[in-house]
Amino acid sequence: QKEVEQDPGPLSVPEGAIVSLNCTYSNSAFQYFMWYRQYSRKGPELLMYTYSSGNKEDGRFTAQVDKSSKYISLFIRDSQPSDSATYLCAMSPAGGTSYGKLTFGQGTILTVHP
Amino acid sequence: DTGVSQDPRHKITKRGQNVTFRCDPISEHNRLYWYRQTLGQGPEFLTYFQNEAQLEKSRLLSDRFSAERPKGSFSTLEIQRTEQGDSAMYLCASSTTDRGLTEAFFGQGTRLTVV
Repeated sequence: QKEVEQDPGPLSVPEGAIVSLNCTYSNSAFQYFMWYRQYSRKGPELLMYTYSSGNKEDGRFTAQVDKSSKYISLFIRDSQPSDSATYLCAMSPAGGTSYGKLTFGQGTILTVHP
Repeated sequence: DTGVSQDPRHKITKRGQNVTFRCDPISEHNRLYWYRQTLGQGPEFLTYFQNEAQLEKSRLLSDRFSAERPKGSFSTLEIQRTEQGDSAMYLCASSTTDRGLTEAFFGQGTRLTVV
């Protein structure tokens, strides 16, 4: 079993919909949680970055972390065709030799139709 | 340019040849990471440096792979005797630990095709 599980989708929604993307993880040492967006044949672009549990909002994006359930989410409000991409969750422990080393989910392919 | 830069963007090589990739991190970042990404998968950790010291290597990294970061600035990743299974996107990322762990920023990657 992988340390980070992410539903690969694909997920297809109409423009304006609310999108929910999720990851589960098994390593309780993970303390830093990130969401990246990746367009085809490009490098990942950082969207959201959170530490420990709680919510963080940035424009149309909201990241949630529930460490008790080992579950993180990314919500996209008023989705746009330009949001069509692969969304990757990533996690890191806060200490030890693996501090800063990211473990990624498989990525969810999202398509937003006009 | 304030981003992470990788060169080349694309590389096609014959099986058995050696290849070398370069990464220039964000200038004030002391951490530099290499990841590999295959189609339909998330990036997988290969190795990382703090300044010039290589602190961890993945068990995925065979002896044919070597990475350096002389003087703690740019880094190179060399693959010797390439195999078709080495075909992937090789991603470099950088971050700084000066204010605790901050977010890692990725370059555009080097896409390797071994024929």
